[in-house]
Amino acid sequence: DTGVSQNPRHKITKRGQNVTFRCDPISEHNRLYWYRQTLGQGPEFLTYFQNEAQLEKSRLLSDRFSAERPKGSFSTLEIQRTEQGDSAMYLCASSPGQGYTFGSGTRLTVV
Amino acid sequence: GDSVTQMEGPVTLSEEAFLTINCTYTATGYPSLFWYVQYPGEGLQLLLKATKADDKGSNKGFEATYRKETTSFHLEKGSVQVSDSAVYFCASGVYGQNFVFGPGTRLSVLP
Repeated sequence: DTGVSQNPRHKITKRGQNVTFRCDPISEHNRLYWYRQTLGQGPEFLTYFQNEAQLEKSRLLSDRFSAERPKGSFSTLEIQRTEQGDSAMYLCASSPGQGYTFGSGTRLTVV
Repeated sequence: GDSVTQMEGPVTLSEEAFLTINCTYTATGYPSLFWYVQYPGEGLQLLLKATKADDKGSNKGFEATYRKETTSFHLEKGSVQVSDSAVYFCASGVYGQNFVFGPGTRLSVLP
């Protein structure tokens, strides 16, 4: 097991484009979390899943943000019509119920 | 809502100096408390945790004690090394739910 894997590591996109990030959690972890981290700030919670069920999504930043975990394994986070303010590090974490393991994140730059 | 406050950085110390990074929290429930460390270009790694009042978490020479009466969880290390240079995040949360992170404190240790 190699931990939580996030792809891509870096993404540069033009304003208005859609982007999708992928997170592969540790295989036996049933909970998966998405956070956003802007420069100089701590991670900010976005959403989380238990297996394939999205249990909390009210903290997603706008209706341009959506996340899925269709088979209870990997997850994707999509941002539609990106804006410059979406530039940040997007972190994924997985958990078996106690303790988080974070991935290395996807750094998004919107130009 | 729940929140975490940390001392602002950056903190610059000489090797072998004593380190304290203050952290206070507000919570409606009875959270567990955590310190995470983030090295450049990497994701967050759990440094230590405490799950109830008066618990002391420790790892790699770092310590923090869960103080319910002062709602604090200050991070300490008796003798820092250059390799400890990183950003440190205090967090509170209930296992199985999302965590709340502080803004982070950047530590630079000079040889």
